Parts: sequence; C-alpha cells; structure tokens
Amino acid sequence: DAGVTQSPTHLIKTRGQHVTLRCSPISGHKSVSWYQQVLGQGPQFIFQYYEKEERGRGNFPDRFSARQFPNYSSELNVNALLLGDSALYLCASSFLGSRTGELFFGEGSRLTVL
Amino acid sequence: KQEVTQIPAALSVPEGENLVLNCSFTDSAIYNLQWFRQDPGKGLTSLLLIQSSQREQTSGRLNASLDKSSGRSTLYIAASQPGDSATYLCAVRPTGTASKLTFGTGTRLQVTL
Repeated sequence: DAGVTQSPTHLIKTRGQHVTLRCSPISGHKSVSWYQQVLGQGPQFIFQYYEKEERGRGNFPDRFSARQFPNYSSELNVNALLLGDSALYLCASSFLGSRTGELFFGEGSRLTVL
Repeated sequence: KQEVTQIPAALSVPEGENLVLNCSFTDSAIYNLQWFRQDPGKGLTSLLLIQSSQREQTSGRLNASLDKSSGRSTLYIAASQPGDSATYLCAVRPTGTASKLTFGTGTRLQVTL
C-alpha cells in the first residue's frame, strides 16, 4: 500500500512568489495535517483538515492557506514568499477512527526561497 | 503552552552499545506520545506510539517508556548499529485535539564502527 505522497519533492522560488504543495493521504485516511520544519528544528503544526473542513490551525500568518478535496488529498498554499519560509513541508495523514490516533508522514517538500 | 525538550541534542556511540534518548514535556494532559526517526533531508518514520494509559511499548531493539505524571519519556535502543544513525524526534499529542503534535528538536544520533 502506498504511504503518504507529497509533490513536488524539491522546489526553488523567489521572494514574493506563490507556491502550492500537494499531498495524498494513505488510502482510507480522511485527516491530513501540514507541518513546517525549519533546518535544525522540530516540525511545527500549520493546519489540520478532516472531511474537507479545517479542524486546527497553528500560529502561522494568513499567507498560509490550505484545502482538502473530496478524495481527501490536500494542498498547502503560501503567498508572498519570504526567505524565512524556506523549510521542509511535511504532510501527515491519520485515520481518526483508530484507537491509537497514529500519524503517518510523507517524505516532504523541500522549499527554498531565494 | 506545551513544550517538549530532548536531551542530549547529539550523541555519538560505538556500534553495539545500548543507549537511551530522553524526552520531557511540560503539560501532562496528553493523549499519546510518538517517537519518530528522521534521516537527513527525509520525512518522518514512526517508530513507537505510547498511549497515555500505557507505560511502555516495544518494537524489536527499541523500547519506549512513558511516565506521564513526571512528563518524561525515554527511547531505549539496544545493540546499536550504524544504520541507526539518524535524528530521533519525540512528539506529544494533547487531549482534545486530533492531529496537532508538539515536537521536540530531536537528538542526532551517530553510531560509529
């Protein structure tokens, strides 16, 4: 079975541009979460979506937005990119009906802002 | 606000040694705690998950313990191998939230020949 898949794996943008990152959850998982990991730090929670609705938001500016589609895949959008947005963006999926609530992460999208 | 601390930040051991990684958290109202492994530039691989009602979990050479009242967890790795070299992250999920994990900054482990 395929795990969480993310695209693109790497991308380079310039300041002020816009970026869209994509995530496909594990089959059967309806919850998708996004995390930002700056080099040398632990991941920071950005958003959680479940059944196409936002269920949680971290402390990130409004330049960050996301959505979830009927097939439970998700997009993370970042507008007006800043140098500080350079990071590994991780997507995680989970089956909220499970007893454990375990999260499964993808390989991430490495964003470099020049 | 939940804060998660991992000590040490980096660790180098010779192959074959047993080792312990530490994780502490400030708010004991957690639903579960998860240990992850991260290879350089890669995503997170889930190693062990401990529910708040559990004391420990084991998988192969890995054993994780949880003392919720004191806000501590340890990851024990037996008979370390060079392939264990990676960064190990612990993360706690608070009660009442679905997927909002709070991570520590990780312990970078190097196992030498």
